[in-house]
This record gives sequence, structure tokens and C-alpha cells, in this order.
Amino acid sequence: DGGITQSPKYLFRKEGQNVTLSCEQNLNHDAMYWYRQDPGQGLRLIYYSQIVNDFQKGDIAEGYSVSREKKESFPLTVTSAQKNPTAFYLCASRGRRAGANVLTFGAGSRLTVL
Amino acid sequence: GENVEQHPSTLSVQEGDSAVIKCTYSDSASNYFPWYKQELGKGPQLIIDIRSNVGEKKDQRIAVTLNKTAKHFSLHITETQPEDSAVYFCAPTDSWGKFQFGAGTQVVVTP
Repeated sequence: DGGITQSPKYLFRKEGQNVTLSCEQNLNHDAMYWYRQDPGQGLRLIYYSQIVNDFQKGDIAEGYSVSREKKESFPLTVTSAQKNPTAFYLCASRGRRAGANVLTFGAGSRLTVL
Repeated sequence: GENVEQHPSTLSVQEGDSAVIKCTYSDSASNYFPWYKQELGKGPQLIIDIRSNVGEKKDQRIAVTLNKTAKHFSLHITETQPEDSAVYFCAPTDSWGKFQFGAGTQVVVTP
């Protein structure tokens, strides 16, 4: 079955440490996204990538970095510069269906800073 | 800039009753209007969508209606069941695939 796999599902980090969240898709989608979700809030865009070796900042990119070396993979690094990193992180890829852009999400990664 | 408002933020309904969530947007370039359902601890899943050239679409107990002139679209759930309890997001989208998510509506279906 095609889909998006995020790992780890739960991650604990000490202050001052960088952590990398994995996102892998086998949907053959070109575009991939990272969103942050805080309790009771909507999804805020961190970074997105339209194609391999290219990515753009979203609305809240400060303190995060990404890479897109392969079509299937779009890892997100939460750096020590991110002031409030505790959140639920969602990766998505974009495909076409009946002429419309449709997002498919992974199950998410919950990061907690201790 | 683009703005998406979703109302209500929480909705409690008795099992068997109907639920309606409204999404208002400002970007006139939006031409695709999906609704996503997110269960606790999971990623959002697309449940229904509508294109700008259609006014209403129905899929079993759920339906979406669009008023493009007024720039709002709504999710309707009839005969609600406990498994409908979740957070629902609207995400009006333009042709470039730029998604603007609403803040979400927590729906609680009580027996």
C-alpha cells in the first residue's frame, strides 16, 4: 500500500540538542510538506519542497532545517535555535486526483523537550 | 493575505443528530475545498472535497456545500455516530497547491 511513514512516533529531547524527524513516501509524489500542530490549533507550514533538491520556507521556518536529496525522503531537523519545539509534527505529500491537489498525511511525530 | 476562519471551534452533538461546520476564506484564487478529519494521535485524513464549479457534493452521511460568491463552504454530517468524534479541518486551496488550514473544529458525539 502506498503511503507516508513518519518516524519516530514519539521523541524526547533535551534542551540544546538537535533532532531529526524522518518522512518517507512511496506515492511517487513530487511535493512534500512539514507542518507543526500545537494543541487546539490548526496546522502551520514549516517547510515545503516542490521537487528534489529544492525547498522553500513556510510560515514558521525559524529554528528548523530540511533537505530533499531523494524524491521519497524529506527529513526535518529541529535545531536548538527553535525556542519552543514541543509539538506534534506532520509530514504530507501532494498528489493529483481528479484535477485537484490532494494532501496525504503521515501519522505524525510527537516531540517533547525535557 | 489569505485568511481562513472555521466555526465553531467545538461542537457537541447527541448521537443521531446533525453537525455543521462552516469555513470562510478570503483568497479568491481558491478553487478546491477539502475537509480533513483528524483522530486523536493520528494525521489528518481527507474525507470529502469539492471543486469550485460544483455547489454540493454528498458521500453517504457527509456532504459539503460551497458558496463561492460568499467565500464559504460547509461540512454537514448527518446521523452522527461516536466514531465521528474527531477534529475537522477545512483547507481551501489554489491551483498552485497552496493549502491554508482552518484552526479546526473539535466534534464530540455523545451517546
